[in-house]
Amino acid sequence: GAVVSQHPSRVICKSGTSVKIECRSLDFQATTMFWYRQFPKQSLMLMATSNEGSKATYEQGVEKDKFLINHASLTLSTLTVTSAHPEDSSFYICSARGQGVYEQYFGPGTRLTVT
Amino acid sequence: GDSVTQMEGPVTLSEEAFLTINCTYTATGYPSLFWYVQYPGEGLQLLLKATKADDKGSNKGFEATYRKETTSFHLEKGSVQVSDSAVYFCALIPTGNQFYFGTGTSLTVIP
Repeated sequence: GAVVSQHPSRVICKSGTSVKIECRSLDFQATTMFWYRQFPKQSLMLMATSNEGSKATYEQGVEKDKFLINHASLTLSTLTVTSAHPEDSSFYICSARGQGVYEQYFGPGTRLTVT
Repeated sequence: GDSVTQMEGPVTLSEEAFLTINCTYTATGYPSLFWYVQYPGEGLQLLLKATKADDKGSNKGFEATYRKETTSFHLEKGSVQVSDSAVYFCALIPTGNQFYFGTGTSLTVIP
């Protein structure tokens, strides 16, 4: 099946710094990518939806200036957490979907810890 | 609004035991329903799905039936194996883009 990768798998950064997470579709063209956040023992919460070449659409309550999403190509989307704080520590998961289908393929997730 | 309520875990079973993980949903219209599985250190993988009422999704010995009258999509397996140990997520797409996920149920199968 379709494969989605994320990099890095784990990252630790200091408060106030920025960190970038990459999401790549390895064997298909992802016209739409989704970014989720997962808190311990909680559901995946959709943060934003991005279409290749367009600005991302953010869910209510998600700060677009803090969570910068770029979907510059059909195989790569990036999430940059700017000026990270300890409360941003979480598990971030991306998913990708090809054109004309509704099934999403998920990446393995990135564990972000802000100290 | 649309939501998924999933049985809380963790669930611990002996090998070859019967598994049921309950999932109920709230949605307008006719959503598609999914079960995803997340093995340790890996991403979410689609386990099975059903797109309309009375459909039964099945894969790897797991089954779930789309029950509109009870708004449920319970996951079952007749005989679990150690390799089934993972976290299971129930999810729906009502219409359009967005997935709604349950909280996940952790399953541990002991030999």
